[in-house]
Amino acid sequence: DAGVTQSPTHLIKTRGQHVTLRCSPISGHKSVSWYQQVLGQGPQFIFQYYEKEERGRGNFPDRFSARQFPNYSSELNVNALLLGDSALYLCASRLRDRTYEQYFGPGTRLTVT
Amino acid sequence: AQTVTQSQPEMSVQEAETVTLSCTYDTSESNYYLFWYKQPPSRQMILVIRQEAYKQQNATENRFSVNFQKAAKSFSLKISDSQLGDTAMYFCAFMKLGDTSGSRLTFGEGTQLTVNP
Repeated sequence: DAGVTQSPTHLIKTRGQHVTLRCSPISGHKSVSWYQQVLGQGPQFIFQYYEKEERGRGNFPDRFSARQFPNYSSELNVNALLLGDSALYLCASRLRDRTYEQYFGPGTRLTVT
Repeated sequence: AQTVTQSQPEMSVQEAETVTLSCTYDTSESNYYLFWYKQPPSRQMILVIRQEAYKQQNATENRFSVNFQKAAKSFSLKISDSQLGDTAMYFCAFMKLGDTSGSRLTFGEGTQLTVNP
């Protein structure tokens, strides 16, 4: 079975631009979470979605938004990019809302110049 | 809010030896999980071991075991018979249970472990 997939692998954007990151969970998994990992730090929770509804939001500005589609894939959108948004963005899927085990994708490396 | 602290930014060990990574956490919750994740240079975050807070017995997974001290809020990872493939960043993480906040993971800053031949 395929694991969690994320696209693109890398991308470079300019300050002020908008970016969309995509995540496909493991087949059958209904919950997707997004994390931001700045270089040299641990991942920080951004969002969790379950059955297309937002179930949790971390301490991130409104420039960050996300959604989950009927096929349980998810998009993370970031508007008005800042240099500080440069990070590895990780997606994790889980079978149900409150199951403990999360399976992570390989991440998208975003560089803002 | 929960916090997770890993006080060892870097550690090294010789192949086949044993190493212990430290983690402390702060929470007022009683129902939670603790995890150790491994992140090799490939960036893929891999679950190493988990511990349910209500279990007194320490979790073990092959060469990996934990020392869970609930009262002290300490959760260390012991790696026995270290292998070159264990070289990675190791993150300690906390998950609160039983509410609708999204069951988010709170991670520590990580410990870079290098296994030397």
